[in-house]
Amino acid sequence: GAVVSQHPSWVICKSGTSVKIECRSLDFQATTMFWYRQFPKQSLMLMATSNEGSKATYEQGVEKDKFLINHASLTLSTLTVTSAHPEDSSFYICSAEVNEQYFGPGTRLTVT
Amino acid sequence: QKEVEQDPGPLSVPEGAIVSLNCTYSNSAFQYFMWYRQYSRKGPELLMYTYSSGNKEDGRFTAQVDKSSKYISLFIRDSQPSDSATYLCAMSPDNFNKFYFGSGTKLNVKP
Repeated sequence: GAVVSQHPSWVICKSGTSVKIECRSLDFQATTMFWYRQFPKQSLMLMATSNEGSKATYEQGVEKDKFLINHASLTLSTLTVTSAHPEDSSFYICSAEVNEQYFGPGTRLTVT
Repeated sequence: QKEVEQDPGPLSVPEGAIVSLNCTYSNSAFQYFMWYRQYSRKGPELLMYTYSSGNKEDGRFTAQVDKSSKYISLFIRDSQPSDSATYLCAMSPDNFNKFYFGSGTKLNVKP
């Protein structure tokens, strides 16, 4: 049990376009989901904390208008990277919390 | 069966003790093995990164990978109260293109 999925696993988009990444808890309901960004061989940087039905809480330095987070249900949170630029290319990981934190497999975003 | 199994703890040890944290896995394709330390409500901090089998040492931390047993360990020597955190193992078959995390072990080092 306690599986978290992300879709897509890999996406390539052109500069200026928007990309939506989904994070789903498959067999449990999560009141809180987290979005992280990771560069190769580095720590996961917490971007925002998302609670179902309320606005996400963004970490300092993360542009909320650029990284739109929607937590529409207890099993789904989405991260939309708006007007993507090459510097947004990274690995994005979500996690869902119910007693413990369960991580998704990640989404690799490449912006050309 | 989950891809990666990790005892959630909590694990409570006295200051100065040697701590052993472990994960088992089922997918023989995993090649890259990571250990992260996470303080409450912070992003996991990468502690150790190893490729394939063997040992890697960094200060008070030693990571071991035994691919034949599908078992990885993180040892912390001379543990300190500041080591109190949740430790996550993670694995990848193809170098940071897909991750499989353990659920984390909560460690408490008592002064």
